[in-house]
Amino acid sequence: EAGVTQFPSHSVIEKGQTVTLRCDPISGHDNLYWYRRVMGKEIKFLLHFVKESKQDESGMPNNRFLAERTGGTYSTLKVQPAELEDSGVYFCASSHLGLAGGPTYNEQFFGPGTRLTVL
Amino acid sequence: GDSVTQMEGPVTLSEEAFLTINCTYTATGYPSLFWYVQYPGEGLQLLLKATKADDKGSNKGFEATYRKETTSFHLEKGSVQVSDSAVYFCALKPMGGYQKVTFGIGTKLQVIP
Repeated sequence: EAGVTQFPSHSVIEKGQTVTLRCDPISGHDNLYWYRRVMGKEIKFLLHFVKESKQDESGMPNNRFLAERTGGTYSTLKVQPAELEDSGVYFCASSHLGLAGGPTYNEQFFGPGTRLTVL
Repeated sequence: GDSVTQMEGPVTLSEEAFLTINCTYTATGYPSLFWYVQYPGEGLQLLLKATKADDKGSNKGFEATYRKETTSFHLEKGSVQVSDSAVYFCALKPMGGYQKVTFGIGTKLQVIP
């Protein structure tokens, strides 16, 4: 079974430009999460999709960030315009409810992350 | 709100040394507790987990015990190897539903030969 994949693995852009990150969850996982780690800080939650609907976007830092999940499959996270403080590693995770009490019940599986550098 | 506190590091150990990375948490109820690891150039991997008090999670020689009374989930390994060099994140997730994971700051471990 393929894991969570993210594209690109690295992105270097200039301040003011636009960047779009993509996440492909594990097939069949209805839940998709975005997280971010700014250098030296905690990994912080950004938002959560259930299928194509935003369940919780309380972690989105501001309106320069736009996340979509059309069709409930892959998701994109667009930053427009990018600022220096947006630099960091963006992680995507997916989960399914699974069998209650089972070994992977509601476990989130993480992708390799996209390292974004804004110059 | 929920929070996780762990030693920031970096931690530098010689091969075969004993490792402890402390982790304490603040949360309501009975969260699930996790240790994730990020090896150089790779993504986050689940190392071990515990879902209730007194559970011990273990994997690859690492262990952590869910201590409700001290709200702790310290990571230990009896004899580290160079290949254990990585960043280790303590994390929690509230029980029930589709809850977000709250992470600690991450502890960088470097093991030297």
